[in-house]
Amino acid sequence: GQNIDQPTEMTATEGAIVQINCTYQTSGFNGLFWYQQHAGEAPTFLSYNVLDGLEEKGRFSSFLSRSKGYSYLLLKELQMKDSASYLCAVRDKDGGATNKLIFGTGTLLAVQP
Amino acid sequence: DVKVTQSSRYLVKRTGEKVFLECVQDMDHENMFWYRQDPGLGLRLIYFSYDVKMKEKGDIPEGYSVSREKKERFSLILESASTNQTSMYLCASVNGGVVYQGFFGQGTRLTVV
Repeated sequence: GQNIDQPTEMTATEGAIVQINCTYQTSGFNGLFWYQQHAGEAPTFLSYNVLDGLEEKGRFSSFLSRSKGYSYLLLKELQMKDSASYLCAVRDKDGGATNKLIFGTGTLLAVQP
Repeated sequence: DVKVTQSSRYLVKRTGEKVFLECVQDMDHENMFWYRQDPGLGLRLIYFSYDVKMKEKGDIPEGYSVSREKKERFSLILESASTNQTSMYLCASVNGGVVYQGFFGQGTRLTVV
């Protein structure tokens, strides 16, 4: 089976740092994506991790630990425009050459002044 | 910039109608996906395709079929639309290779009456 867990909602203050966690259990693993989705819009790509460790991209960083089935997205210097849903997605290597892309239900982040 | 284009932004159809949702990507990506997104349920995978004429069922394929006759185009078909298929439908395109990125179309808000 497959299961991807994220907190449903988080609140943080403008200028602060927030960490959004994602834990997963899948039959296979071939990488993990993070997406940002503003209300009424399509998800936009933030990051992809396939090896353990931290990937930094400006104010956003993503961490992966394959042995723990765990990832987090770190957002620094929060801005009001960062208020959005953040989606964790796993490439589940379901045998053979095919790769399912499975999403968690997302974390709704509210940034307050 | 990668472009993933869905044929309609909003669609209203009657119960029992056959509905076609089209998705086209312009970056020669191998992998394409159809999801539906409902409040509280996140993105659920309907079907995906990793090559021309190849298709795999996702988690909720019932009531849907797909077609991929050309690499750039992935179509979702609702054989006989029902009211419980009212949803936001999102198409995603993911490249193969070493560095993965995944991109979404703008979404189609389908209402079945």
